Amino acid sequence: NAGVTQTPKFQVLKTGQSMTLQCAQDMNHNSMYWYRQDPGMGLRLIYYSASEGTTDKGEVPNGYNVSRLNKREFSLRLESAAPSQTSVYFCASSTQTQGALAPLHFGNGTRLTVT
Amino acid sequence: SQQGEEDPQALSIQEGENATMNCSYKTSINNLQWYRQNSGRGLVHLILIRSNEREKHSGRLRVTLDTSKKSSSLLITASRAADTASYFCATDNQAGTALIFGKGTTLSVSS
Repeated sequence: NAGVTQTPKFQVLKTGQSMTLQCAQDMNHNSMYWYRQDPGMGLRLIYYSASEGTTDKGEVPNGYNVSRLNKREFSLRLESAAPSQTSVYFCASSTQTQGALAPLHFGNGTRLTVT
Repeated sequence: SQQGEEDPQALSIQEGENATMNCSYKTSINNLQWYRQNSGRGLVHLILIRSNEREKHSGRLRVTLDTSKKSSSLLITASRAADTASYFCATDNQAGTALIFGKGTTLSVSS
């Protein structure tokens, strides 16, 4: 099993450009998540999809949009990139058991630089 | 705002010593999870402790949970150089649909 796969691994954008980060999981998980990680800030939740067909804002959603394409895929779009969006982006997936979240499975991240 | 806060931010120890990291959180939880992140990699789940549990063990890891103090601790016994990583606690959001992470503790184990 591949687990959670993120593409691309690295990306450099100029301010104002747009791009979509792709994420796919092969574990039949219902829930998928996008986090960003900045030095000294830990992981902050951008958007999540608790189940296919739903998406919700997390802690830092401004400047981003998401699409839950199907149960496997959850993409993150930057419409007009800004230097403040330079970060490492992690996708994760999970399921729920007994009304609580099971452990998250993470991808290896996309390192994005906006100049 | 972030739910969990780890303490200390950084910890340096020698191989063979024990490492203790603490996590405090703000609101009631269903469960609390600990993760490890090696440099340049994604996070890996270590252990999950439910709100009705007080202690849990997994190999050299021991996690405690005190819901009255809204705090948890992660103990790594007999540390090895390979334990060098960042460690994060995470708790579910109020809807129970997403995990909110703390800022992490960076552990360095030297030989």
